[in-house]
Parts: sequence; structure tokens; C-alpha cells
Amino acid sequence: NAGVTQTPKFQVLKTGQSMTLQCAQDMNHEYMSWYRQDPGMGLRLIHYSVGAGITDQGEVPNGYNVSRSTTEDFPLRLLSAAPSQTSVYFCASSYSTSGLAGGGPQETQYFGPGTRLLVL
Amino acid sequence: AQKITQTQPGMFVQEKEAVTLDCTYDTSDQSYGLFWYKQPSSGEMIFLIYQGSYDEQNATEGRYSLNFQKARKSANLVISASQLGDSAMYFCAMRGLSGSARQLTFGSGTQLTVLP
Repeated sequence: NAGVTQTPKFQVLKTGQSMTLQCAQDMNHEYMSWYRQDPGMGLRLIHYSVGAGITDQGEVPNGYNVSRSTTEDFPLRLLSAAPSQTSVYFCASSYSTSGLAGGGPQETQYFGPGTRLLVL
Repeated sequence: AQKITQTQPGMFVQEKEAVTLDCTYDTSDQSYGLFWYKQPSSGEMIFLIYQGSYDEQNATEGRYSLNFQKARKSANLVISASQLGDSAMYFCAMRGLSGSARQLTFGSGTQLTVLP
């Protein structure tokens, strides 16, 4: 198992450019999420998906789009990059234990290695 | 809304000693999960330990234990016999019942430095 993979590892963009951050997992996890980490802060949820074809917004969704056409892939699209989107982006995945109160340890999220994005 | 508070931006501990990293949380959910992750300088997020809100016993994983005090809404991480490799940023996180709360809400982290 490769676990959760992310590409690219590092990217520099100019303001206004668009790009897609790739995320893939091979664990057949239903849940997938995107977080961003800014200096001195914890991770904040951007978008998440509870299964193929189902996505929803997290805490900081503005400027980002997602789609989930397969269980394995969950790309994050930056529509028009801004310097405020300079950050480290993490993708995570987990099983879903819908119906189990609190989710249980089976819903532990496992993270990809991250993508460092610099927007000039 | 869920909230995680980590009040210790930085901590120092001598090698081989134990250290406690503080975490308090706030939620209106009756059922929730609490997590600790380690982030070394290389940047990856490493899962350490999980505690369910209905678990009666404190979780343990090797040298890591979680001191769970539900009434005080605290979930402190205890690392016993610290090693140099434990130097890292540590994040407390929680997961609630539904919607976006079923994903993770993180605290701001504690930077732990283990001194030789």
C-alpha cells in the first residue's frame, strides 16, 4: 500500500494562475479531506468528501474547488491563485463508520506528505 | 462548533524524562473522538493515539498515553521516557458526530524540544 499520495511536493505559482493539487489513496477509504496549514497554526479544513460524487465545504473553502469522481482520487483546484493561498496543503483519508457513534478509531485520518505552495 | 486549545506553544524536556502536553476541547456533541498527531521537521503528519469519548480507560500506545478527563474537557498527551526523536510539533485534534465536524478540528500545536 502506498497510503495517501500527493503531487506535486512543491509548487510556485504567480497570482491569478490556476492549478490542481492531486491526492490519491489506495486503502479504499470513503472519507477524504483537504486541509491547509499556515505558520503557527494548526490544520484547517478546506473541503471534504464522504464518498464518490459527494463533497462539502469545510472551514476555509473560498478559492478552492473539489470533485470526487472515484473513491481513490480527490483533487483540489485553485481557481485563481492569490498570495493568501501560500500554505502547506495536506490531503487525508479514512474509513467511514457511519452509524457508529463518534466514528471510533477506524475513522482515524491518515495524511499524505503535503504540498508546499508558494503564490507570488 | 468544535474548538481545540493548546496553550503551550513550546515545551522543553530532558531526554529520558516524561512530559505532558496540554489539550482542552469544546464541543456540544455527546460522542466524539480525540486524536494526537506528531509533525516532525520533515513535515508529515503522524497519527499517535486515539481516545473515544465513551472510552472508560485512558488510551495508551507504547510510550504515549492520553490523560482523558471528560468532565474537565481535557485530553493531555503524556510521553514517557522522552527521546531525541520526539522533538517535533504535536497537534491535538477532535472529531465530532456529523457534517464537517466529522472531519478533524485541530489545535495550534505545541513544539516539543527534547534536550540531551
